Parts: sequence; structure tokens; C-alpha cells
Amino acid sequence: GIQVEQSPPDLILQEGANSTLRCNFSDSVNNLQWFHQNPWGQLINLFYIPSGTKQNGRLSATTVATERYSLLYISSSQTTDSGVYFCAVEDDTGGFKTIFGAGTRLFVKA
Amino acid sequence: EPEVTQTPSHQVTQMGQEVILRCVPISNHLYFYWYRQILGQKVEFLVSFYNNEISEKSEIFDDQFSVERPDGSNFTLKIRSTKLEDSAMYFCASRENVGAGYEQYFGPGTRLTVT
Repeated sequence: GIQVEQSPPDLILQEGANSTLRCNFSDSVNNLQWFHQNPWGQLINLFYIPSGTKQNGRLSATTVATERYSLLYISSSQTTDSGVYFCAVEDDTGGFKTIFGAGTRLFVKA
Repeated sequence: EPEVTQTPSHQVTQMGQEVILRCVPISNHLYFYWYRQILGQKVEFLVSFYNNEISEKSEIFDDQFSVERPDGSNFTLKIRSTKLEDSAMYFCASRENVGAGYEQYFGPGTRLTVT
């Protein structure tokens, strides 16, 4: 089955710094989503981005489907950005199974 | 904005007991999913459901698990005889259709604690 790898596994930033999180996947995908898991465990949908680039405030994401990777950019990080960021992909063989990466755990220091 | 809801938010049960986790997907969605996340680990796919049938299931989804859409709005996950290792956060998700262009919407999760 499709493999999803996220890097780095852990990241510590000073408030105000920028960061890039990466998601590599091993096969063609129909869909790709980025999530932020907050301290209460909820999965917050950040981007639905099977290809191209999107921006939402301080966050933006780019997926290059032909090269099988996606990047999540966080600019001017804030302490509230802390948490775990997951990439999730769905292969193009049917659409019934989504595979999550192991996540990047981000801690932003004040 | 429509959202997926889940109840209860937290359930504590004793080993060997049956539990039913409930989800109300977004009303015009046709595809439904359950995932679980053991504390500190990644989110794992359990099962997908469409047209009153299981579409796909993972190796985790053994005979102890079942899903049902008992009416036009609810989607349930039943664990027949809970084990300690079933303790996890369980997420429900739904989507309007499959394929490119249709994202999944996740509920807030039910935290299941088996003692």
C-alpha cells in the first residue's frame, strides 16, 4: 500500500520563526489533506490540496503530485501553532482508504 | 457550516463490555469512515462504508468491530467485547463523493478508555 513519510518528526521553534513541514508519498494520490491536531485531540482541517498551492493567513501549502511530495509552510509562528501536523493521502485506486503520516510534532516557544 | 458530530466525547468502559460510538455525518454525504488513534501514535484507518456496505477495512477491523447506518442520519461503530488495547481516540469522517475534488470532513472524536 501507499507509504506516507513526514519530516521532521519533531520541531521546536521560537515564536515568530518560519518553518516548512514535508510530506512524501510513495504512489499517485487523488487527495491530500493537511491537519493540525490541537491539544484536545481534535483534527483541524488546514488544507485540502491534491495539487497546486493554497494559502490561508500565515499558513500555505504546496503539493507537487508528479514528484510525490507536499509542503506545509508556517510563517511568523505563534505558540497556538503548537501541536501535531498530519498529512493524509488517499490513493487513486478507489477512494476508500486514507493513510496518515506519523506527523510532525511542533512546539513554539514564547 | 455543516459539520460531523460524534457522541459521546469521552466514554469509559470495562474490559469485555460492548460499546457503541455514534456519529452524525454531514447530511448530503454518502461515504463514511472510522479511524482510530492510540495515544501518541498516528491516525489509523479502520473502515469505510458506502451504500450500506463496507467498502474497505483494515487488518485492525476484526470480528470484534462492526459498523452500521441504522437510520438516515447516524453512523455507528460497535466494539463487541472491548480490550485494554482498544483505548484510543476514534474519529468519524464523511465525504460527499470519492475521487479528486472531495475532501473528508472529520468529527471531533470520541475518546474511549477501557479499564
